[in-house]
Parts: sequence; structure tokens; C-alpha cells
Amino acid sequence: KQEVTQIPAALSVPEGENLVLNCSFTDSAIYNLQWFRQDPGKGLTSLLLIQSSQREQTSGRLNASLDKSSGRSTLYIAASQPGDSATYLCAVFDNYGQNFVFGPGTRLSVLP
Amino acid sequence: GAVVSQHPSWVICKSGTSVKIECRSLDFQATTMFWYRQFPKQSLMLMATSNEGSKATYEQGVEKDKFLINHASLTLSTLTVTSAHPEDSSFYICSARDWDREGGYTFGSGTRLTVV
Repeated sequence: KQEVTQIPAALSVPEGENLVLNCSFTDSAIYNLQWFRQDPGKGLTSLLLIQSSQREQTSGRLNASLDKSSGRSTLYIAASQPGDSATYLCAVFDNYGQNFVFGPGTRLSVLP
Repeated sequence: GAVVSQHPSWVICKSGTSVKIECRSLDFQATTMFWYRQFPKQSLMLMATSNEGSKATYEQGVEKDKFLINHASLTLSTLTVTSAHPEDSSFYICSARDWDREGGYTFGSGTRLTVV
């Protein structure tokens, strides 16, 4: 059974810092991995999608990497801003269950 | 891009009543939709997979008679929480895939259910 963990659970940084969020998964047989942002009480916003054959994806200040063999992905946020404050979820879409397995999320606070 | 509309965004109901949540794919057809539940400070957990024109597939531990799912058309799936109790209070969110978009799963905005 696929399990997804995220470290750290919470992170508080001053504005302008670069930061890294970590995601680990136990079964490397994944179809793709996706990073989402969730604002309090709201739905999910897809940030980056990495196919199993890809190593990384970039969108603006965000860069996500995938090392499938080691079961790890990182989300790099450059020059963080207060508007980046949210919970960041990592989810893997596995080859077996045909659905997403979500990590518990990292709650990020960027202080002005 | 693909849009999934979910309504209502929040609802408060009395214990023992039923609540219906709608999930619509606005610009694509979805033969399959997924329903997730998220308790406070916990991860999203898949509840069931909704299949157009057939019965939903429920995850282990999810009561199918309590959480009724209907997927009557290619653009609409509904989740009805029957005889709701305070422990059903949670954040419910649906998802659908636009097969024209590679890996393109889109999520609704979620429904915050509070049972009092």
C-alpha cells in the first residue's frame, strides 16, 4: 500500500527566503506526482505535475524534482512571499489503485 | 483549462438530516469522478470512485449506505450524506480527470460540512 509522507509538517520563514519542501513515497511504481496548494478551508490548486518519466518541472518561482527510484520529490520555492502562505500537498498517482494518495501536507507561513 | 465546480462551498445542517453535494465538470466529460474527505489537520483520503452509469466503488471503511453517490451524467456526480452526524463534519472535495489533458486531474473547491 502506497504511503506518502511530507517533511516538515510546518514551516515558518521570513519573506524572501528560498525554501524546500520534501515528499517521500513508499512505492516507486507511480504514474505521476503532483504538488498542490491548499488555502484554509478551500480546495486544491495544482502547482506542478511531474510524470514518472520526468525529473523536474518548473513554473515561475516553483521547481519540483522527482527521484522515483528513491521515492522522493522536493518542491523548491524561490524568494518566498507572504502570499505563498498555505498548505502544500504532495500526491502520487499510482499504477495500481488508479487514484491519488495524498501526503499530510506542509503548512507554510511566510512572514512579512 | 479543465474546471470542476463543486457546490455548496459550505453547509451547516442539523444532526439526522441529509445533505447533497454536487460536483460538475464544466468544460469536459468525466466518466469517473473521485470523492475525498479531509478531517482537520489530516490528509485528504479517498472515499469513493464515482462511475457514470454504474455503481460507485467505495474505499474500505466508507459506508455506502451513508454516503450515497450518484453519477447520472458525464458532467455531474453527487454525494449525499444521509442522516448526518457531528462526526461527519469534514471537508469534502471531488476530482475529475480531463482525458484530453495529460495527467490532468482537476479538483473542485471543496465543501465544508458542519453537522450540529
